[in-house]
Amino acid sequence: NAGVTQTPKFQVLKTGQSMTLQCAQDMNHEYMSWYRQDPGMGLRLIHYSVGAGITDQGEVPNGYNVSRSTTEDFPLRLLSAAPSQTSVYFCASRLTRWGGNTIYFGEGSWLTVV
Amino acid sequence: EDKVVQSPLSLVVHEGDTVTLNCSYEVTNFRSLLWYKQEKKAPTFLFMLTSSGIEKKSGRLSSILDKKELFSILNITATQTGDSAIYLCAVGPNTGNQFYFGTGTSLTVIP
Repeated sequence: NAGVTQTPKFQVLKTGQSMTLQCAQDMNHEYMSWYRQDPGMGLRLIHYSVGAGITDQGEVPNGYNVSRSTTEDFPLRLLSAAPSQTSVYFCASRLTRWGGNTIYFGEGSWLTVV
Repeated sequence: EDKVVQSPLSLVVHEGDTVTLNCSYEVTNFRSLLWYKQEKKAPTFLFMLTSSGIEKKSGRLSSILDKKELFSILNITATQTGDSAIYLCAVGPNTGNQFYFGTGTSLTVIP
C-alpha cells in the first residue's frame, strides 16, 4: 500500500525560484490538503481540496498555488520562493471532508530557501 | 475562534515513568479528536475519539475524551526510549473542511 506519496523529500531553493511539491494518493480519497510545520507553530493548513477541480485556501495560503485535476494528485506550487517558506511540508488525505475520517500523511518534504 | 491547546509543551521523563499528555479544544460542531505520534517524519495515527468516557487502548497507550469539559488525555505507561516523539492532537468539526492541530507535546524519554 503506497498511501500518500510526496516528492521530493529534500529540496534547497534560491530566493525567487519556483518549484512544485508533488503529492499522490492511491486510496481514492476525496479530501486532500497541504500543511506546513514550523517549530512551535504546529501544523498549519495551506490549501485543501474536497474533490477534483475544487480547491480552497487554508490558514496560510500566500505564496502557494494548488490544483486538483485528478482525484489522485494534488501538487503544491511555490511561485517565488522566500526564506519564510523554509519549512517541512506534509501532504495529507482523508476519505471525505467529514470530520470523522482519519487523516493520512505523506512522509514530508524538507524545503530550505536560501 | 476554533483552537486546540496541548500541554505541556515538552516533557522529559525516565524510562518506566507514566506520562499524561493533555489536549483541550474549542471547536464548533465537534466531531472527532485524533492523536498522532511524530518521530522526525510523518505523523502516525494513534487514536480517534468521538464519544465521551470511552477509553481507547493500544498496548501501553490509552486515551479518553471528555466532551463536556472539552479535553482529551493521552496516557503512556512504562515509558520506553522509543516513545520519544512529538504527540499531536487534532480536532475535526462535523462538516468542516479543516482539522485543527495543536502545537504538540515533545516527549523525551531518557534511559
